[in-house]
Amino acid sequence: EVQLLESGGGLVQPGGSLRLSCAASGFTFSTYAMTWVRQAPGKGLEWVSTISGSGGSTYYADSVKGRFTISRDNSKNTLDVQMNSLRAEDTAVYYCAKLGYCIRTGCYNFDYWGQGTLVTVSS
Amino acid sequence: DIQLTQSPSFLSASVGDRVTITCRASQGISSYLAWYQQKPGKAPKLLIFVASTLQRGVPSRFSGSGSGTEFTLTISSLQPEDFATYYCQQLNSYPVTFGPGTKVDIK
Repeated sequence: EVQLLESGGGLVQPGGSLRLSCAASGFTFSTYAMTWVRQAPGKGLEWVSTISGSGGSTYYADSVKGRFTISRDNSKNTLDVQMNSLRAEDTAVYYCAKLGYCIRTGCYNFDYWGQGTLVTVSS
Repeated sequence: DIQLTQSPSFLSASVGDRVTITCRASQGISSYLAWYQQKPGKAPKLLIFVASTLQRGVPSRFSGSGSGTEFTLTISSLQPEDFATYYCQQLNSYPVTFGPGTKVDIK
């Protein structure tokens, strides 16, 4: 059974930093790209960042580019995101998710999601 | 960036109703569209991917269609557990984008 468990959320002041982690199990972690998606309170879903299975390719939303860094440790089956220079608008539940339906041209769904971890940026 | 719009944004329906939600993309995305269901306080759940393929374990009352710029999610006979918010998502190119959501509520 695929399981994704996020941790590291909490309250942080504007301009501060936070590191979120996602522990994965139940699948061959290194084979699959992984992603972070966030949801501000009462709002819709916003894609944040994706990393390839090897970690060699990364993609970021413009809203976090230069401030967030996605990484993975395939020996520990963990996915991380380092969040710096946090702003009030980064307040959200952060979900990690696994990419699925991967064919030659890419991966075309987020098939498993964690339960999310809340990040609150406030003074 | 590819923008997704959904209509309606809110839908009031009864158990047993046929429900259709439309998602439009600002440019062609082939069939690289997925649909998710989200209930309050829960993570999104994948329903359909590449426009019309039902995810394992999802009831057959859910179906998807479309390609290019216009897509639909249909629930053939709404059940009590289907009251939720539904999002479309394009994975044709980065940045990945989601539609704003359609909330399906009880009439």
